[in-house]
Amino acid sequence: AQSVSQHNHHVILSEAASLELGCNYSYGGTVNLFWYVQYPGQHLQLLLKYFSGDPLVKGIKGFEAEFIKSKFSFNLRKPSVQWSDTAEYFCAVKTSSASKIIFGSGTRLSIRP
Amino acid sequence: DTGVSQDPRHKITKRGQNVTFRCDPISEHNRLYWYRQTLGQGPEFLTYFQNEAQLEKSRLLSDRFSAERPKGSFSTLEIQRTEQGDSAMYLCASTPSVTGARETQYFGPGTRLLVL
Repeated sequence: AQSVSQHNHHVILSEAASLELGCNYSYGGTVNLFWYVQYPGQHLQLLLKYFSGDPLVKGIKGFEAEFIKSKFSFNLRKPSVQWSDTAEYFCAVKTSSASKIIFGSGTRLSIRP
Repeated sequence: DTGVSQDPRHKITKRGQNVTFRCDPISEHNRLYWYRQTLGQGPEFLTYFQNEAQLEKSRLLSDRFSAERPKGSFSTLEIQRTEQGDSAMYLCASTPSVTGARETQYFGPGTRLLVL
């Protein structure tokens, strides 16, 4: 069965620090990849997505993610975080043969002002 | 585009009672999904509809759960004889049907259920 692993449950950073959140998936075929963000008290919002083409994907609010097929990874990055980036981040995978999205367990990001 | 809406936002019920949640998808989105999210976990797929047809159900969806989308617009999720283990956030998402499977799901705010 397909699965998504997010390595860090809780990450604490200071403002202006660089961020990288790990995500690995298990599926050998074609995938669509997503990062969703859930700010405190708000619903899940799409941060960025990868379908095909350039493996480096840019999303909203300065986030980007890189798809490395050989490593089955889709890590999320931001060069300089802000206090407003405090949220929970979910990596998700959709295979070409299914309609459902499979989510990782999430990474809670806390930013010290 | 007013987004996906869900009602109610919160529900507290006693064990054994039935509850029903409603989801209104984004207008003209013909695919609608239900997910469940428990504390510390990501959303887990429950079921999805293409228009009014329920095309897939997860093994998580026991026979106490039923979902409908009678006219291909809004959907309801009913839980009968609720159990404390049903306490969770129930999320709805919608997407237009896109060829080549390049679809993006847009989520509603969820209904938080607490079973006492």
